[in-house]
Amino acid sequence: GAVVSQHPSWVICKSGTSVKIECRSLDFQATTMFWYRQFPKQSLMLMATSNEGSKATYEQGVEKDKFLINHASLTLSTLTVTSAHPEDSSFYICSATNLGTDTQYFGPGTRLTVL
Amino acid sequence: GQQVMQIPQYQHVQEGEDFTTYCNSSTTLSNIQWYKQRPGGHPVFLIQLVKSGEVKKQKRLTFQFGEAKKNSSLHITATQTTDVGTYFCAGNSGGSNYKLTFGKGTLLTVNP
Repeated sequence: GAVVSQHPSWVICKSGTSVKIECRSLDFQATTMFWYRQFPKQSLMLMATSNEGSKATYEQGVEKDKFLINHASLTLSTLTVTSAHPEDSSFYICSATNLGTDTQYFGPGTRLTVL
Repeated sequence: GQQVMQIPQYQHVQEGEDFTTYCNSSTTLSNIQWYKQRPGGHPVFLIQLVKSGEVKKQKRLTFQFGEAKKNSSLHITATQTTDVGTYFCAGNSGGSNYKLTFGKGTLLTVNP
């Protein structure tokens, strides 16, 4: 149980384009989903916390207009990197918590490369 | 804000040797969680510690939570090559948003 999927697993795009990443909880309802960014050999940096049906809460230093988060249902959250630039290239990982617990189950991640 | 320090950053051991990674939080935690990330993979939940002074074991892995609920450790006995990866601790300070603050992780490599 507690499986989280992410799509796509990797994406290469040109600078200036937008990229949408999906995060789905497959066998549980996720009231809260988290989006992280991880640079090579570094830790996970929380970008934002997403609650179903409400606006995401962004961490300090994360541009909400650049990283659009939508959590329209209990099983799906999306992260859109708008006008992507090479410095946005990173490993983006989502996680989800099952209702009433705080254990986070991570998706397999999306490796974004912006040329 | 809350900070979670984790040491060492890297640890290389011979197969069969023991390994320990330590975490220290700047604030008292509601609970602490441990994750393992294999090279090229994503973090996988290992365990959660909630009670002051709690000790939990998973086969060769022993997890401890300090009495003050500010520090924790993960000890692996007789490492194997399958233990290779980065071990992260993540502190939860409580509250309704279940937010975790991750340590920087300890990369363990094992020489066969």
